[in-house]
Amino acid sequence: DGGITQSPKYLFRKEGQNVTLSCEQNLNHDAMYWYRQDPGQGLRLIYYSQIVNDFQKGDIAEGYSVSREKKESFPLTVTSAQKNPTAFYLCASSMGLGGTVHRSEQFFGPGTRLTVL
Amino acid sequence: GQNIDQPTEMTATEGAIVQINCTYQTSGFNGLFWYQQHAGEAPTFLSYNVLDGLEEKGRFSSFLSRSKGYSYLLLKELQMKDSASYLCAVRDEADSNYQLIWGAGTKLIIKP
Repeated sequence: DGGITQSPKYLFRKEGQNVTLSCEQNLNHDAMYWYRQDPGQGLRLIYYSQIVNDFQKGDIAEGYSVSREKKESFPLTVTSAQKNPTAFYLCASSMGLGGTVHRSEQFFGPGTRLTVL
Repeated sequence: GQNIDQPTEMTATEGAIVQINCTYQTSGFNGLFWYQQHAGEAPTFLSYNVLDGLEEKGRFSSFLSRSKGYSYLLLKELQMKDSASYLCAVRDEADSNYQLIWGAGTKLIIKP
């Protein structure tokens, strides 16, 4: 079955530590995204990537970093510079960015809930 | 600026019909999406509207009026499993990368 996997499902981190969240997709999608979800707020875009070896900052990129060395993988590192990292992190992918070509809905992974102790 | 408004919470009865509204203000428009998200899980795609009118898909329908910046999601024959949050998202054409702007979601509570 095609889909998106994220690991781990729950993650605990001590203050001052960096931590990396995994995201893998076997849908052959070009575009991948990382979102953060906090209670009472809409999804906020952290980073996105349209193609291998290229990525762009979203609205809240500060304190985060990503890489896109393979089409299937888009890991997110939450660095110690992120002041309030406790949140639910969602990875998504789509055929492309969308627009006039196709609707290009985003498919989401199951999420990682990060808690800073 | 860019903004999407949805009611925070709604309550409905099993077997009834409920309409969840979404209003948006964006620089451009290139499609509106509805997603369903159960607590602690990933959002799943429900519907897509890019032209005015109603799109029907089983028990779920979605309506769009671009001139009014308005959409609604209509859920019929409500079931307990429909208890979830419903997210409205708009693709802004003015954004060269066609990123989605997300509403905060509407939590729908279904009562027996």
